[in-house]
Amino acid sequence: DSGVTQTPKHLITATGQRVTLRCSPRSGDLSVYWYQQSLDQGLQFLIQYYNGEERAKGNILERFSAQQFPDLHSELNLSSLELGDSALYFCASTGDGAYGYTFGSGTRLTVV
Amino acid sequence: GQNIDQPTEMTATEGAIVQINCTYQTSGFNGLFWYQQHAGEAPTFLSYNVLDGLEEKGRFSSFLSRSKGYSYLLLKELQMKDSASYLCAVREYNTDKLIFGTGTRLQVFP
Repeated sequence: DSGVTQTPKHLITATGQRVTLRCSPRSGDLSVYWYQQSLDQGLQFLIQYYNGEERAKGNILERFSAQQFPDLHSELNLSSLELGDSALYFCASTGDGAYGYTFGSGTRLTVV
Repeated sequence: GQNIDQPTEMTATEGAIVQINCTYQTSGFNGLFWYQQHAGEAPTFLSYNVLDGLEEKGRFSSFLSRSKGYSYLLLKELQMKDSASYLCAVREYNTDKLIFGTGTRLQVFP
């Protein structure tokens, strides 16, 4: 157990639907990062939150949004889902001044 | 922006040594990471370099040359369980986010 918890582990949904992925960072970590990994692709940075505030944004689609709550857990919302959104979605966390990034076990999203 | 290049695939024999190269171009560099990822699993941290030189950690070593925008991961005494993807990632200076290369899939054969 890395200390970063992602739920659910698997999600199957239909095109056009909306889903929410959840991430609880390692205890004490303030930063949360979301990544998307499509089949046989590298990790694509989506968005970063630090202590509740958005800090950096990658190539995140307008259909996707995220937030970090006061208890530091984060949610990634994906709407109007398309087949191409099928991927592994990873969350990672890191603390102040720390160089270690810890990844959760990911959520495998399948859009049918 | 960031651009990170590494070979797509490599093969090696059990017990051998393999070197995986990574070149990068970045607008703001604050360290280079190597991660190991088995298929369908989370990336796990292998090494971190922020200054030039070699960092050794058991069977794994990582080298960095900031002036050349170049790093390599050296794996010694290869084992079958080392078959995985190896991801090179650069940390961006202002935000601390990690930008990943596409990864190198290593297959170790008996």
